[in-house]
Amino acid sequence: NAGVMQNPRHLVRRRGQEARLRCSPMKGHSHVYWYRQLPEEGLKFMVYLQKENIIDESGMPKERFSAEFPKEGPSILRIQQVVRGDSAAYFCASSRQGEENQPQHFGDGTRLSIL
Amino acid sequence: DQQVKQNSPSLSVQEGRISILNCDYTNSMFDYFLWYKKYPAEGPTFLISISSIKDKNEDGRFTVFLNKSAKHLSLHIVPSQPGDSAVYFCAAKGTDSWGKLQFGAGTQVVVTP
Repeated sequence: NAGVMQNPRHLVRRRGQEARLRCSPMKGHSHVYWYRQLPEEGLKFMVYLQKENIIDESGMPKERFSAEFPKEGPSILRIQQVVRGDSAAYFCASSRQGEENQPQHFGDGTRLSIL
Repeated sequence: DQQVKQNSPSLSVQEGRISILNCDYTNSMFDYFLWYKKYPAEGPTFLISISSIKDKNEDGRFTVFLNKSAKHLSLHIVPSQPGDSAVYFCAAKGTDSWGKLQFGAGTQVVVTP
C-alpha cells in the first residue's frame, strides 16, 4: 500500500494519559501535515513538517501538543495529559512539496476517544 | 474565522443528473483550490484542483470552476452516480501560508436511484 499510513486507527485514552499518533507519508513524499476534525466540522490545520523541521505550527494548541518528523521513521503527533475536548479524528496528509501547488493526500485517520 | 465556506450542508440529486457543489472564500491570498471526497471512517480523497491562474479545470466527470472576482468556486459532477454519495470538502491554500490548507465544513451529497 503506497498510501499515507496512520496508526492506530482507533485510540482510547483516559483523561491525563498521553496519546501518540503515527503517520508514514506516501512513498516519495517528504512533507507531512496534521489536521484535526471535530464532529460536524471541517478539517482544521494543526502543523506542517518536513524531515527534522517544523515549518508551520500555527494551528497547534500552545500546550500539551507536539509533533515531530524524524530523519528515520514516521511522523508523531503527541498529546500529553489528554482531556475530553481532545476527542476527535486526527488526519495526516503528505505531499511532494509544500509551498508549491501540489495536492495533499490523506490517510484514513486516527479516531481518538477520551474517557 | 471561517475563510472557506460551504453554505449547503446537504444536497440530494438523482442518479444521472448533475451535482453542483458551491464554495465561497474570503481570503484574496488564496491561490490554489482543491476538492476532496470523504466516506465515513475514511480519510479525504483528493478529487480535483485548480490554480488561481485558471477559471476551469476538468477531469472526467468532475469539473471545477473558479470565479476570482466573486471569490467563488464550484464543483460539477456529471453524471452523478450512487458511489458519489459522500461528504465533499472544498479547501484552499494561500500564498502566505506555506502548505496549510483551509477547509470548508463540507456538503453531504446523496445520489438517489
